[in-house]
Amino acid sequence: GAVVSQHPSWVICKSGTSVKIECRSLDFQATTMFWYRQFPKQSLMLMATSNEGSKATYEQGVEKDKFLINHASLTLSTLTVTSAHPEDSSFYICSATTGGDLYSNQPQHFGDGTRLSIL
Amino acid sequence: AQRVTQPEKLLSVFKGAPVELKCNYSYSGSPELFWYVQYSRQRLQLLLRHISRESIKGFTADLNKGETSFHLKKPFAQEEDSAMYYCALKRSSNTGKLIFGQGTTLQVKP
Repeated sequence: GAVVSQHPSWVICKSGTSVKIECRSLDFQATTMFWYRQFPKQSLMLMATSNEGSKATYEQGVEKDKFLINHASLTLSTLTVTSAHPEDSSFYICSATTGGDLYSNQPQHFGDGTRLSIL
Repeated sequence: AQRVTQPEKLLSVFKGAPVELKCNYSYSGSPELFWYVQYSRQRLQLLLRHISRESIKGFTADLNKGETSFHLKKPFAQEEDSAMYYCALKRSSNTGKLIFGQGTTLQVKP
């Protein structure tokens, strides 16, 4: 149980285009989803916290107009990288939890990640 | 600021040898600590958490508040333990956010 599906797993696109990444909880309702970014050989850096039905909370230094997050249902959150540029190339990982952000006892379940390459 | 440090990028041991993956944290409150593991070509998954005080796959980790450490240990490493291990911290105050360390690659040689 507790499977998180991320799609696509790999995307290559031209500079200036927008890319949407989906994160789905397949067998549970995810009140909260988290979006991380990981550069090669580096740690996961939290970008934003997404609660169903409300606006995402972005970490310091993350441009919310650049990285649009939507969490319209309890099983789906999307991250849209708008007007992507080569410096946005990275590995993006989502996680989901049944607990709301206020309930820290619920574990996070991770997706497989999406490798984004901007040419 | 909260921070998690894993000083070793790579730890290489022989099968059957003891393993200790180091993790130090800095946080002024009472943190909750986790170890996550990522096997080759698989997603990140929770290995253990300090509040559970359990042993998973032979691994244990004890939270040492005095030394602000949460080292992961296993007395006898197995080849299937080869993976990337991340230590993570969650703040105690009403948040589900995780702060990850840089990760340590454990390589268990036959």
